[in-house]
Amino acid sequence: GDSVTQMEGPVTLSEEAFLTINCTYTATGYPSLFWYVQYPGEGLQLLLKATKADDKGSNKGFEATYRKETTSFHLEKGSVQVSDSAVYFCALRGPIQGAQKLVFGQGTRLTINP
Amino acid sequence: KAGVTQTPRYLIKTRGQQVTLSCSPISGHRSVSWYQQTPGQGLQFLFEYFSETQRNKGNFPGRFSGRQFSNSRSEMNVSTLELGDSALYLCASSSADRDTQYFGPGTRLTVL
Repeated sequence: GDSVTQMEGPVTLSEEAFLTINCTYTATGYPSLFWYVQYPGEGLQLLLKATKADDKGSNKGFEATYRKETTSFHLEKGSVQVSDSAVYFCALRGPIQGAQKLVFGQGTRLTINP
Repeated sequence: KAGVTQTPRYLIKTRGQQVTLSCSPISGHRSVSWYQQTPGQGLQFLFEYFSETQRNKGNFPGRFSGRQFSNSRSEMNVSTLELGDSALYLCASSSADRDTQYFGPGTRLTVL
């Protein structure tokens, strides 16, 4: 079945450092890909998404490109802030019409130190 | 627009009891999905409802059930609670088929 594998955490960086969180997936067809973020005590917030190969999703300085050839959707940010500290989840939704099920990676806890 | 709301936010139950959680989607959204989040298993899909019909179901025992009402509000029920049912239960809604899902804050269930 479909699956998502994320870079193991936790990840600790200093403010203004460059961030990469790796995400690879296994799926049949052409899934849609997402990054969600979870702040302490809260639900998930959509960070960005891409629905077809070579699409780049971006939001709040974060970017991720849908790479079909490497089945990857790595999250990047050029200069992280303390406020970016959270848990980040990569997810996919299969291409089948009528299927809203999201398959999530295990999550990566990010801590940014000032 | 108000976001997805879930009630209650926190719940403590004992083994063997049953529980009902509620989710009110964003106004106009017809699809509601439920997920269980635990430290060990991560985020797992429970089921999805669209226009009052269960459209997809995850790999959970029959003790987990749900329904959706004509106003798109959804409830999920867990019967005969087990310690392992302790989790954050998240609800997500979307406006149409294949649209982005927006999550509520979750209900934290603790089973003692």
